[in-house]
Amino acid sequence: SQELEQSPQSLIVQEGKNLTINCTSSKTLYGLYWYKQKYGEGLIFLMMLQKGGEEKSHEKITAKLDEKKQQSSLHITASQPSHAGIYLCGAGLRKAAGNKLTFGGGTRVLVKP
Amino acid sequence: NAGVTQTPKFQVLKTGQSMTLQCAQDMNHNSMYWYRQDPGMGLRLIYYSASEGTTDKGEVPNGYNVSRLNKREFSLRLESAAPSQTSVYFCASSPQGGPNYGYTFGSGTRLTVV
Repeated sequence: SQELEQSPQSLIVQEGKNLTINCTSSKTLYGLYWYKQKYGEGLIFLMMLQKGGEEKSHEKITAKLDEKKQQSSLHITASQPSHAGIYLCGAGLRKAAGNKLTFGGGTRVLVKP
Repeated sequence: NAGVTQTPKFQVLKTGQSMTLQCAQDMNHNSMYWYRQDPGMGLRLIYYSASEGTTDKGEVPNGYNVSRLNKREFSLRLESAAPSQTSVYFCASSPQGGPNYGYTFGSGTRLTVV
């Protein structure tokens, strides 16, 4: 199994509805990053979380880090077609591993108009 | 525009052929990385370079070699391509070591080995 598990693997949401993606680690998290990838393109940095309980928001996207549970969630409020894409979480899983990030398998999001 | 530039964007190789994927960044970043992306498996680290002059293996290095030519450039070479290396390859860079800095990614190279 992967060290970072994302769920769900894919989801279809009606425009205007909310959605949540989870990222769960089997190891202690040293920095948790969320990226978005549009189909056929590179990854765009969304947010970084470092401390347990930390929560960040940008426009309609909110990410939270639960350090005890070794888990992060990404929540999109009132989804729009522009939110469609693949969301990936990445994390440092080893304290002395430099800046190498391990990534989850991704969540494919489709927003129906 | 500042960022990470990868070439080529698309490539088709025959089994056994060799090629080099090029990556350059103009952000004065110290660390550079090569990942491959396969369906359902997310991104897996092939090789990385923590700083100019150093390279280290990642999770899936077999069949690949890298060169950190200078601070800007980090190339990935496939000496004898195999169908299992069909994937999308991403280069990334970050300012320095330590798990506190996010990556900047290139737009990817889509490689098919037939």
